Amino acid sequence: QVQLVESGGGVVLPGTSLRLSCVASGFSFSDYGMHWVRQGPGKGLEWVAVIFYDGSKTYYGDSVKGRFIISRDNSKKTVYLQMTNLRADDTALYYCARVWQRGGFDSWGQGTLVTVSS
Amino acid sequence: SYELTQPPSVSVSPGQTARITCSGDALPDQYVFWYQQRPGQAPVLVIYKDTERPPGIPERFSASSIGTMATLTISGVQAEDEADYYCHSADSTGTSVVFGGRTKLTV
Repeated sequence: QVQLVESGGGVVLPGTSLRLSCVASGFSFSDYGMHWVRQGPGKGLEWVAVIFYDGSKTYYGDSVKGRFIISRDNSKKTVYLQMTNLRADDTALYYCARVWQRGGFDSWGQGTLVTVSS
Repeated sequence: SYELTQPPSVSVSPGQTARITCSGDALPDQYVFWYQQRPGQAPVLVIYKDTERPPGIPERFSASSIGTMATLTISGVQAEDEADYYCHSADSTGTSVVFGGRTKLTV
């Protein structure tokens, strides 16, 4: 079955960097666009970034533009989120999600927690 | 930046009909998707492309999208439907994804 497993979260200082990974299994990874979505503590969902199935295009949410980079390695069935210049308001549970071919995010990982604190 | 507006909360009794709205200027041009999120769990897609129900989603979940307003309807609400609900769409360019601000459904 479809499975997405995020990793790489942790507690970091403001201004530092972190790279998240999301390993996919159970489907043809190279056929699907992938997103990162985050959820701050007690807050709603916030879209972070998307990468097309072949890595040809990427788009970002306004709050992370210029600081985060999404990438993928189809040979490893993995999507990454490189986060730099982290701020306290980046503290959140970060989910990777698959774009269903009919539209919408039909599969989500369990999330990896990022805490930015001094 | 583009925003989708949802009511913060909706409360219904078991067996009643719950309606959750989502408004946004670009909705006439972009599909709307709806998610259910129970505490401590990842979101689950319950409606795609405005009105379609994914496999495995109960028939009591339905939706519409007219003009700048989309509505998720849950008929015959059950206790297990108590959760947060989010709408999701894109801006007019299609390059920026947006989630609504969450509606807590209390049963």
